[in-house]
Amino acid sequence: GESVGLHLPTLSVQEGDNSIINCAYSNSASDYFIWYKQESGKGPQFIIDIRSNMDKRQGQRVTVLLNKTVKHLSLQIAATQPGDSAVYFCAENSEIRGSARQLTFGSGTQLTVLP
Amino acid sequence: SAVISQKPSRDICQRGTSLTIQCQVDSQVTMMFWYRQQPGQSLTLIATANQGSEATYESGFVIDKFPISRPNLTFSTLTVSNMSPEDSSIYLCSVGTGTYGYTFGSGTRLTVV
Repeated sequence: GESVGLHLPTLSVQEGDNSIINCAYSNSASDYFIWYKQESGKGPQFIIDIRSNMDKRQGQRVTVLLNKTVKHLSLQIAATQPGDSAVYFCAENSEIRGSARQLTFGSGTQLTVLP
Repeated sequence: SAVISQKPSRDICQRGTSLTIQCQVDSQVTMMFWYRQQPGQSLTLIATANQGSEATYESGFVIDKFPISRPNLTFSTLTVSNMSPEDSSIYLCSVGTGTYGYTFGSGTRLTVV
């Protein structure tokens, strides 16, 4: 079936630097995308989302970019902090089976912030 | 957003036994979902728990192995039946919030020995 995948399984950045986490998706019909952060021992936490009619959305220290032409999604974290160390997942929310919607997760990137 | 309480948070079980995981939400929700997260991997949807009807299972998951109950709009259970070491995973409950949003519980870390 359709899948969402990530380019890199691990990413290490220096504290204070910017982080960029990438994601490729394959379902061209997906109209909504979400980035989640999962810390050890916890469930995924919502970070930011973007609809397919947008190409950029900004939150507090985070920015999501969507390039529908190449089916690419990225998460940018500004001034990365130790508390940002976690696994980051992209997920696409698409309509299936009529009006039902389903989340499909990418494989995840482990972000490590170095002191 | 909804607050999810998932129990147990972790368990170690003998192969061949079954474990029932509970998911309690602090508000009524229409959509409830169960995911599996195998060690070091992403989340895979097991099934959608429908209130008042049978759960809808994804490809590769069957009711006999993962029976699900949804007696009301705030509660659901997932049972992992006849467990083997391959069932060792984190099992997560999720609820839909609004049209597009989802909230996740903290998960149940299951180890089968």
